[in-house]
Amino acid sequence: GAVVSQHPSWVICKSGTSVKIECRSLDFQATTMFWYRQFPKQSLMLMATSNEGSKATYEQGVEKDKFLINHASLTLSTLTVTSAHPEDSSFYICSAKGEGNTIYFGEGSWLTVV
Amino acid sequence: AQSVTQPDIHITVSEGASLELRCNYSYGATPYLFWYVQSPGQGLQLLLKYFSGDTLVQGIKGFEAEFKRSQSSFNLRKPSVHWSDAAEYFCASSGGYNKLIFGAGTRLAVHP
Repeated sequence: GAVVSQHPSWVICKSGTSVKIECRSLDFQATTMFWYRQFPKQSLMLMATSNEGSKATYEQGVEKDKFLINHASLTLSTLTVTSAHPEDSSFYICSAKGEGNTIYFGEGSWLTVV
Repeated sequence: AQSVTQPDIHITVSEGASLELRCNYSYGATPYLFWYVQSPGQGLQLLLKYFSGDTLVQGIKGFEAEFKRSQSSFNLRKPSVHWSDAAEYFCASSGGYNKLIFGAGTRLAVHP
């Protein structure tokens, strides 16, 4: 079946630095990918829609200058958390649409800002 | 606005017992509906989905769900729960643009 891969699975960064998370569709092309954020024991909140070759569409309340999204190819979207702070620590998950309109999720990436 | 409600935050069942997890959606038309399962610290695995057609949908791991338009519901069921089913379950809906709206999730605990 379709596979969506995220890298890294775990990352720790210092406050004030930037960190990049990659989301790849391994066996299908995805013109649209989605980035979600999940706090511990909570549901997933959509952050933005990543569109190949164009600007991402951000949900209300999400700082686009802080969470930079780039969808450079049909198989890769990246989320860069800029000037990270401890409150940005969270579980970030991406998804992509595969065959039959099925949405596949990546394994998620744990970000800890210290 | 589109929304998904999972009324039960936490459910505990005995192994071998039947299970039903509730999900209600709010959307003007018939949405695409999904159930996902998430083990601690991991991503989401799709259990089943409903787009149209037969309102009883069969999924993986012995799960099924029934779409009931009159009740705006898409409840997940399993006739006999296994200890390995303990996880967090999320119901989600999409208005057709693949942007999923998730419910708050239901945490399932299974007693031996």
